[in-house]
Amino acid sequence: DAGVIQSPRHEVTEMGQEVTLRCKPISGHNSLFWYRQTMMRGLELLIYFNNNVPIDDSGMPEDRFSAKMPNASFSTLKIQPSEPRDSAVYFCASSLDGGNTEAFFGQGTRLTVV
Amino acid sequence: GNSVTQMEGPVTLSEEAFLTINCTYTATGYPSLFWYVQYPGEGLQLLLKATKADDKGSNKGFEATYRKETTSFHLEKGSVQVSDSAVYFCALSDRSGNTPLVFGKGTRLSVIA
Repeated sequence: DAGVIQSPRHEVTEMGQEVTLRCKPISGHNSLFWYRQTMMRGLELLIYFNNNVPIDDSGMPEDRFSAKMPNASFSTLKIQPSEPRDSAVYFCASSLDGGNTEAFFGQGTRLTVV
Repeated sequence: GNSVTQMEGPVTLSEEAFLTINCTYTATGYPSLFWYVQYPGEGLQLLLKATKADDKGSNKGFEATYRKETTSFHLEKGSVQVSDSAVYFCALSDRSGNTPLVFGKGTRLSVIA
């Protein structure tokens, strides 16, 4: 398996624009996680899905953030409208059986909002 | 709730020095414990894990022992290399099945030749 695949790797956008980050989890994994990493806050869990259903989105910072998982092989994280403070590296991770087992991380998307 | 506390960095060591990165946890029950490593420009990857008390996880010369009595999972390596420079994260899973890993804040290690 190719691992967790995220796209794009880098995104530069202007403030106010919509940004969509994409993730393809490892085939067969039933849990998917979106994290945000910044120097100031470290690694933050934004939302996680189990069997395509959002379980906990309490980490989503504002209503400008939304995430979907329409099927077991694809998820998106959308920011609309984007702001400079959203600049960060966004990671997607997947695992089998929730948090009991190893989570596999993607390479991340580095988002810069100018 | 569950939490992980690890020593703050950055940690700077000379090549071949001994490394310890402290990690303690708070959890109900008997969690599984993990160390993840993040190399520059990459995502986190599992370094080692332990699933029950007194278990020792090991990989690439790194070791950590699950100590229930001190609720600790300290990471050690006898002789670090420049290639070990990375950010190290301690994490726990409460094994409830539907909850994600709880991560510490990470410790940046720099090894100089």
